[in-house]
Amino acid sequence: DAKTTQPTSMDCAEGRAANLPCNHSTISGNEYVYWYRQIHSQGPQYIIHGLKNNETNEMASLIITEDRKSSTLILPHATLRDTAVYYCIVNDRGSTLGRLYFGRGTQLTVWP
Amino acid sequence: GAVVSQHPSWVICKSGTSVKIECRSLDFQATTMFWYRQFPKQSLMLMATSNEGSKATYEQGVEKDKFLINHASLTLSTLTVTSAHPEDSSFYICSASASSGNTIYFGEGSWLTVV
Repeated sequence: DAKTTQPTSMDCAEGRAANLPCNHSTISGNEYVYWYRQIHSQGPQYIIHGLKNNETNEMASLIITEDRKSSTLILPHATLRDTAVYYCIVNDRGSTLGRLYFGRGTQLTVWP
Repeated sequence: GAVVSQHPSWVICKSGTSVKIECRSLDFQATTMFWYRQFPKQSLMLMATSNEGSKATYEQGVEKDKFLINHASLTLSTLTVTSAHPEDSSFYICSASASSGNTIYFGEGSWLTVV
C-alpha cells in the first residue's frame, strides 16, 4: 500500500515555480523518497530521489524536512510540458527496490 | 541513460486468446523487472516481480496462471495474458533497475484492448 499522501491536484502558471508537497509520516529510517511523473498514456518518468539531504538535478529539487515526515518537489520554472501526474513514493532500496506502490499522485496542470 | 522498452505499444486481441508483451532493458542488465497495470484514471498497480532464472513473485490478488511471466535473460521479461477477456483491457507497464543501480526506470507501456 502507498505510504504517502499528496494533494489531488495543483495548478501553476508557466514560468513560475511549482511546489508539490508530499506527506510520508510513517517513513522508516532506511526508506528513500522517490518522485516520478506520468504524462498521459506514457510510462512513469524518474525525476529525483533522496534520503534526508536536499537534492537537486537538472529536472527538479527535492526538499525533505528534518524529521523526514514530508517533502516538497520543486520544479523551478514550470513549462506546459510539465503538466502530468506526479507521484511521491517511499522505498527502502533493499530487497524491495523496484517494488513501488503508487498512490493517486498529484495532477499538476501548468497553464499559459 | 538507462532505457526500458516495451513491445508492442498497443495490441487488440479477441476474447479468449492470449497475448504476450515484452519488456527489454536496452543498455543494462536487469536481474529483476516489475510489471504494473493501470486502468483509466487510476494509479499504477504492482502485479508481480519478475526474477531472472526463477519464478515470478505475484502480488496478492493477482492470478499467476492468468498472467504468465517469463524472465529468461538479463534483458528480457515477458508478460502473457492468457485467455484474455474485456476486463483485462488495460495499460501494462514494466520497470527495471540495473543490478548495481538505485533508480528504477519504466517502459513506455503497452495498451491492451480485448474485444
